[in-house]
Order: sequence, then structure tokens, then C-alpha cells
Amino acid sequence: DAEITQSPRHKITETGRQVTLACHQTWNHNNMFWYRQDLGHGLRLIHYSYGVQDTNKGEVSDGYSVSRSNTEDLPLTLESAASSQTSVYFCASSESGRGVKDTQYFGPGTRLTVL
Amino acid sequence: AQTVTQSQPEMSVQEAETVTLSCTYDTSESDYYLFWYKQPPSRQMILVIRQEAYKQQNATENRFSVNFQKAAKSFSLKISDSQLGDAAMYFCAYRSSQGAQKLVFGQGTRLTINP
Repeated sequence: DAEITQSPRHKITETGRQVTLACHQTWNHNNMFWYRQDLGHGLRLIHYSYGVQDTNKGEVSDGYSVSRSNTEDLPLTLESAASSQTSVYFCASSESGRGVKDTQYFGPGTRLTVL
Repeated sequence: AQTVTQSQPEMSVQEAETVTLSCTYDTSESDYYLFWYKQPPSRQMILVIRQEAYKQQNATENRFSVNFQKAAKSFSLKISDSQLGDAAMYFCAYRSSQGAQKLVFGQGTRLTINP
């Protein structure tokens, strides 16, 4: 079955280190998204991509970067991890176009702790 | 910018009873999509129901239905015959029909089912 996976599921790192969170989907979806979830804020968009070589900033993009070299993967990099980036990170993907096809489906999440 | 508000941080209901979760949103657009996602303790984000703003008919999915009031910018979720497995965080989300396909989430409502 097609799916969207994230790795690792849990990560502990230290302030200042570079961290990369992986997201892989097998639906061949054009659109991929990264969100973070914090108490009291719901989910907020970090970065998104509409296809290979396309990346865009979301509302909380500072300190994060993404690259899209193929359809299946959108890795999220924290250039220099900060304690404020301790959060649960979700990757999502969707098809392009109107209707039910463009519904976003989410990965299982990665819990990141920055000490 | 669009905003989504869930004014009930927590709700509880007796098993087999009906519960309604509230959601309001703010937008100047006329065409958009609204969603309810469920997040059980596993953290997985699961799509519950979807509504397209141009459709006047309220969406239904088995025991889940919505009351979409476009003029009032209200989008409530009704869960009938509540089951223990319905216990979760529920998030309301908005998506524009144009431009970026990002989801804007509310803060969430934690639903408890009492046996």
C-alpha cells in the first residue's frame, strides 16, 4: 500500500547541531508539506513544495530548510538546532488539482527534543 | 490571513451519546475547503471529514457530520453514537482554493469519551 513515512520517530539532539528529518511518500504526490505541532498552536506550516526543485517558505520557516530532488522525498533540515525547535514535526503530501484528490495525508510524526 | 478558532479546549461525552465540536474561521475568500482531522494518542493525523465551501449540503461520513454555516463562518463537527475509539484531539483546518495549498489549523479540542 502507498504510504508516507517519517524517520526517525524520536530524536534527541543538542543545541547548535544540524539535524535532518526525513519524509518519504510512495503516492507519487506532487505536493509535500512540513508542519510543526506545539501545545496551544495546533499545526503550523514550516515549508512546502509543489514539485521537484520547488520549495516555499511557510509561516514559521526561520531556522529550517528543505530541498526537493525527487518526487518521493522532502527532508527537513534544522541548520543549528535551538531549544525553541523542540516540537513534533509532521510531513504531509497531496495531489495537485481540485476535489478530494488534493486532500493532505500525514505521516506519523517525529518528536524532536533539543537540549 | 486566514485564522481558525476552536473555542473548546476540552469536551467530554458519555459513550453512545452525541457531541458537537465547534470551529469558526475568518476569511475574505468565497471558495475554500474545510476539514476535521482526528489525532489519537498515536499522534497520527487522520482525516475525518471534508467540506467544500461552494457546496451547500453538509458533508457526512458515517457517524460524523458537519454543520457548515458559510455566512456565519462556522464549521462544527457532530459525532453521533460516540464510541471509546473516538477519544482524541480534533483539529479544524482551512485551506484556500487558490494559491498555496497550506492548511491553517485551529488549536484543537480534546475529546474524552466516558464509558
